[in-house]
Amino acid sequence: RKEVEQDPGPFNVPEGATVAFNCTYSNSASQSFFWYRQDCRKEPKLLMSVYSSGNEDGRFTAQLNRASQYISLLIRDSKLSDSATYLCVVNGGGYQKVTFGIGTKLQVIP
Amino acid sequence: GAGVSQSPSNKVTEKGKDVELRCDPISGHTALYWYRQSLGQGLEFLIYFQGNSAPDKSGLPSDRFSAERTGGSVSTLTIQRTQQEDSAVYLCASSQRRSEAFFGQGTRLTVV
Repeated sequence: RKEVEQDPGPFNVPEGATVAFNCTYSNSASQSFFWYRQDCRKEPKLLMSVYSSGNEDGRFTAQLNRASQYISLLIRDSKLSDSATYLCVVNGGGYQKVTFGIGTKLQVIP
Repeated sequence: GAGVSQSPSNKVTEKGKDVELRCDPISGHTALYWYRQSLGQGLEFLIYFQGNSAPDKSGLPSDRFSAERTGGSVSTLTIQRTQQEDSAVYLCASSQRRSEAFFGQGTRLTVV
């Protein structure tokens, strides 16, 4: 089983739609969780950290479920500019290192 | 510097030549990672350093690939006898314990 698993997509959604991505992780000792965004031909950049209590940043909401070992990202009112690949990231798992999921590709359509 | 710095930004080399890629992490970051990414593909983990040691090098694809880190800072990734399938963007990232990773802009390697 992979340490971090994501559905690679692509998810094609119309502008204004709400879309959700899930990610599962295998190591219950994992300590920190993040969502990254990667635009085409660019390096990944931090979108938001994921806290146990859940957190929101504008149209983006991230949640952590430790019991089921998954994290989620919800994007409301999708914009064309949200088109990118979203990477689930876990820190503190095997070897106490950062592990990236393969990423979920989102395409927002006019 | 303020961010992770990688050099060169682009490298074109002939098949069979050796190449060396450099990564300068954020000052004070103990963890350093190398990934590679082919066009349209996900990140492929290569190696992880904690300080100068590499507890996880399970992603190195063959013995032509090696990496070292000195002084808990700069890291070099060396590819010997390059092959066309080595063409990709090589990304370096650094982090502090339990914190997010920051990426450099990558080295685009083309083997002709």
